[in-house]
Amino acid sequence: QKEVEQNSGPLSVPEGAIASLNCTYSDRGSQSFFWYRQYSGKSPELIMSIYSNGDKEDGRFTAQLNKASQYVSLLIRDSQPSDSATYLCAVNTFDNDMRFGAGTRLTVKP
Amino acid sequence: EAGVVQSPRYKIIEKKQPVAFWCNPISGHNTLYWYLQNLGQGPELLIRYENEEAVDDSQLPKDRFSAERLKGVDSTLKIQPAELGDSAVYLCASSLRLYTEAFFGQGTRLTVV
Repeated sequence: QKEVEQNSGPLSVPEGAIASLNCTYSDRGSQSFFWYRQYSGKSPELIMSIYSNGDKEDGRFTAQLNKASQYVSLLIRDSQPSDSATYLCAVNTFDNDMRFGAGTRLTVKP
Repeated sequence: EAGVVQSPRYKIIEKKQPVAFWCNPISGHNTLYWYLQNLGQGPELLIRYENEEAVDDSQLPKDRFSAERLKGVDSTLKIQPAELGDSAVYLCASSLRLYTEAFFGQGTRLTVV
């Protein structure tokens, strides 16, 4: 079992819709959780971090963490074509390293 | 404030040749990561430094890869000799300390021919 798992997608949503991206992790001792956006040919860019259970909102983005279920998600409201990218979930795991999922490719159609 | 700086951006070498990548982290960041990313996959951790100490190099292929972080600032990742399968993007990231947000450099795209 991989330490961090994401649906590989691709996920396609119409412009203005809510995009929902999911991530599960295997280490119950994980302390911190991150979402990165990666455009094709570019390096990952941090968009959200979350450290405690519940929701954290930043503009159109909401991260949700449920440590009991070992689940973290990212919601993108009012999706725009410029949101089309690969979204990477990252988790600080038991061995204190930051490990990534394979990413979910999102396409927002005008 | 300057971000993480990596060089070179692109490198093409013949197999069996050596290659080195350089990373300058954000000033004051104690934690430095080297990742490898293949097309369509997430970054895979190669090595993590806390200041100048390599605290996790379990994923680093030690027969051909080496890394160092002198004085706990800049870091160099070396491959000798390179193999065709080493073609990938090599990413450097830094964070203020453990468990905090990490920021990536532009990456080095290596092509081994």
